[in-house]
Amino acid sequence: AQSVAQPEDQVNVAEGNPLTVKCTYSVSGNPYLFWYVQYPNRGLQFLLKYITGDNLVKGSYGFEAEFNKSQTSFHLKKPSALVSDSALYFCAVRDMDTGRRALTFGSGTRLQVQP
Amino acid sequence: ETGVTQTPRHLVMGMTNKKSLKCEQHLGHNAMYWYKQSAKKPLELMFVYSLEERVENNSVPSRFSPECPNSSHLFLHLHTLQPEDSALYLCASSQVALLGETQYFGPGTRLLVL
Repeated sequence: AQSVAQPEDQVNVAEGNPLTVKCTYSVSGNPYLFWYVQYPNRGLQFLLKYITGDNLVKGSYGFEAEFNKSQTSFHLKKPSALVSDSALYFCAVRDMDTGRRALTFGSGTRLQVQP
Repeated sequence: ETGVTQTPRHLVMGMTNKKSLKCEQHLGHNAMYWYKQSAKKPLELMFVYSLEERVENNSVPSRFSPECPNSSHLFLHLHTLQPEDSALYLCASSQVALLGETQYFGPGTRLLVL
């Protein structure tokens, strides 16, 4: 079985400060990992993914994430937060060693960036 | 239209009604998905179609009936729903690939069952 944990319901950060949104995962095989963002009344928007290779993945809007196999983590980071980054962030995993197409999502972390 | 579109964006229905949600993808993908997003719960996968064949079904109640007539269109037919079925229903699509395909989501249909 595959699962994702996002331990923080909400993260608050001041504009201009670095931000981190945490994600840990569990799969029986090797993981594909994804981050999505959801703005109010909108669908999920793809930010970045880890498939293989370099553990540091760069994505849209200045976001990046670091894959850490030993800690089974895939934390989302940004060096300098913007007020417009305030949204709901979802981490998702897919076990690449199964035939299933399904993504398993975390419960989401609400990011609030204060001016 | 680009990306993944969903209609209607909002729907209110009684428990005895029959309605359908529509999803259309303009990305040339060959797999489509229905997810349910309820308050305070993670996204739940409902159905997966790959090459127009249903390949996954996460034990969804029979009052939800999917249909995928071609690779660009996906429907979710609803009948005799319950109030707990009120949620945001999200459609997604992807291109089947050997490595890490990305799912792209539509804006969702917000459903309220009275």
